[in-house]
Amino acid sequence: DGGITQSPKYLFRKEGQNVTLSCEQNLNHDAMYWYRQDPGQGLRLIYYSQIVNDFQKGDIAEGYSVSREKKESFPLTVTSAQKNPTAFYLCASSIGWGSYNEQFFGPGTRLTVL
Amino acid sequence: QQQVKQSPQSLIVQKGGISIINCAYENTAFDYFPWYQQFPGKGPALLIAIRPDVSEKKEGRFTISFNKSAKQFSLHIMDSQPGDSATYFCAARTSGTYKYIFGTGTRLKVLA
Repeated sequence: DGGITQSPKYLFRKEGQNVTLSCEQNLNHDAMYWYRQDPGQGLRLIYYSQIVNDFQKGDIAEGYSVSREKKESFPLTVTSAQKNPTAFYLCASSIGWGSYNEQFFGPGTRLTVL
Repeated sequence: QQQVKQSPQSLIVQKGGISIINCAYENTAFDYFPWYQQFPGKGPALLIAIRPDVSEKKEGRFTISFNKSAKQFSLHIMDSQPGDSATYFCAARTSGTYKYIFGTGTRLKVLA
């Protein structure tokens, strides 16, 4: 089955720790995205990547880092610099440049800082 | 100017009724307007989408109405069912970019 997988589903972190969220897709999509979802605030873009070895900051990139070493993988690291990391994190992918390329979302990772 | 304003925040509809969710925008460079459906604990899934050169698009019980001059678009769910209970997000994308702007979501509850 083609799709996007995110792991883990739930993640608990102590303050001061970095954690990495995994995102893998087998849709052969060029573009991948990370969003943060908080209650009542919709989806906010953290980082996106158009091609391998290239990525761009979104609207709320501070305290986060990403890498794109492989087409199918786009891991997100939540660093200790992120002041309020507790949220639902969503990864998405799309075909790439061109009009109307649909974004497909993964099932999400819920991160809780203890 | 980059915002997409969505209303209402929550909506309760009787089974068989019509659910209507509205979105408004300012940026005239937006060229693609999708609606997503999200169930609790799941990622959003594309429901239906429209381009600004079309005033209405219908897929089954779901219809998007688009008013370019008013910069508004809305989702209509006909014959609403309890299984439609979910959060719905509108979104907009600027042509030639990868960035989507999402509305804040509408939590729909359809009573049996």
